[in-house]
Amino acid sequence: QVQLQESGPGLVQPSQTLSLTCTVSGDSISSGGYYWSWIRQHPEKGLEWIGYIYYSGSTYYSPSLKSRVTISVDTSKTQFSLKLSSVTAADTAVYYCAHTRGLGSHFDYWGRGALVTVSS
Amino acid sequence: QSVLTQPPSVSGAPGQRVTISCTGSSSNIGAGYDVHWYQQVPGTAPKVVFFVKDNRPSGVSDRFSASKSGTSDSLAITGLQAEDEADYYCQSYDNSLSTWVFGGGTKLTVL
Repeated sequence: QVQLQESGPGLVQPSQTLSLTCTVSGDSISSGGYYWSWIRQHPEKGLEWIGYIYYSGSTYYSPSLKSRVTISVDTSKTQFSLKLSSVTAADTAVYYCAHTRGLGSHFDYWGRGALVTVSS
Repeated sequence: QSVLTQPPSVSGAPGQRVTISCTGSSSNIGAGYDVHWYQQVPGTAPKVVFFVKDNRPSGVSDRFSASKSGTSDSLAITGLQAEDEADYYCQSYDNSLSTWVFGGGTKLTVL
């Protein structure tokens, strides 16, 4: 059973960089052909996929956020991270990390979510 | 504006059957990509309740089912119970955006 847990600052100042880490247990990020994603949910709104890092280390980002997003994996292969630069209040959301087995697949494991508020 | 379109809300009395529609296009549902459905209780992460063509995770009631027609998919919940009250989201893959896409969500109210 894969378990995911987000961590990071809950408050970020406008124009700064939002940084979150997802700790993975029960599996290794480098094993299998899985995709490790970040998804966010604005307050009282729907879900928005941000980007993924593949087990091989390759990444792909949502075109709408591509210029500001970086997803990376640490050398231990037990954590992957999200960096979102130049944030504004519109980036205030609950950020989830999630796991899926393929492009046509569903997200079968999710973290509990981390609320990040952008405010001065 | 979500790529997949869902009604904002549906409601039904206990014991009734409700359906939630998810309308896409030729680059996602119409292209043959599977539609998956999630249930989200406020304050918690989404939980998949139906995936691929005919699969429910262990522990999910068989009162949940889904069907596809053209560029749309529908989640049906029979024998509605109070515990079904939640937000429901559909999700698929879009080959023109090369991204996973979600519906805007539907709030199910059990009257």
